[in-house]
Amino acid sequence: GDSVTQMEGPVTLSEEAFLTINCTYTATGYPSLFWYVQYPGEGLQLLLKATKADDKGSNKGFEATYRKETTSFHLEKGSVQVSDSAVYFCALRSYTGGFKTIFGAGTRLFVKA
Amino acid sequence: DAGVIQSPRHEVTEMGQEVTLRCKPISGHDYLFWYRQTMMRGLELLIYFNNNVPIDDSGMPEDRFSAKMPNASFSTLKIQPSEPRDSAVYFCASSSGRADGYTFGSGTRLTVV
Repeated sequence: GDSVTQMEGPVTLSEEAFLTINCTYTATGYPSLFWYVQYPGEGLQLLLKATKADDKGSNKGFEATYRKETTSFHLEKGSVQVSDSAVYFCALRSYTGGFKTIFGAGTRLFVKA
Repeated sequence: DAGVIQSPRHEVTEMGQEVTLRCKPISGHDYLFWYRQTMMRGLELLIYFNNNVPIDDSGMPEDRFSAKMPNASFSTLKIQPSEPRDSAVYFCASSSGRADGYTFGSGTRLTVV
């Protein structure tokens, strides 16, 4: 079945550092790929998405590129801020999954001032 | 739109009592999902609906859990009788299409003592 694997956390960075959170997936067909962010005490929020190979999703300085050849969707940001501290979830949604979303386990990010 | 609205935000109940969680999805969204989040198990899909019809309830832990969606603007998740191991944050989410991301509510934090 479909699955998502993302790097374990926590990831601790200093402010203005470069961020990469790795995500790889297994799916038949052509899934849509997503990154969600969860701040403490809140629900998940959609951060960005990509619906086909080579698409780049971007939002709030974050970006991720849908790489079908490596089945990856790594999240990057050039300069993180303390306010980016949160848990980040990689996810996919596909026809073969009955259009329900498969979430990764989440990666906690701490950014130090 | 006010987003996905869940109530109550917090619920503390005694073991054996009935608990009802409520959700109002975004108008026009035809998919509705119920998730449970705990530290130990992460994010678990309990059940989802498409056009008010339950599509997959394989994640419902046991017969003590039931969910309904009587119309497009309202859904409930009921636990009867509740047990301490049901303590978790329960999220409702809705979506407008098969390839779209989800909009999550703020969640209901349930504590069963």
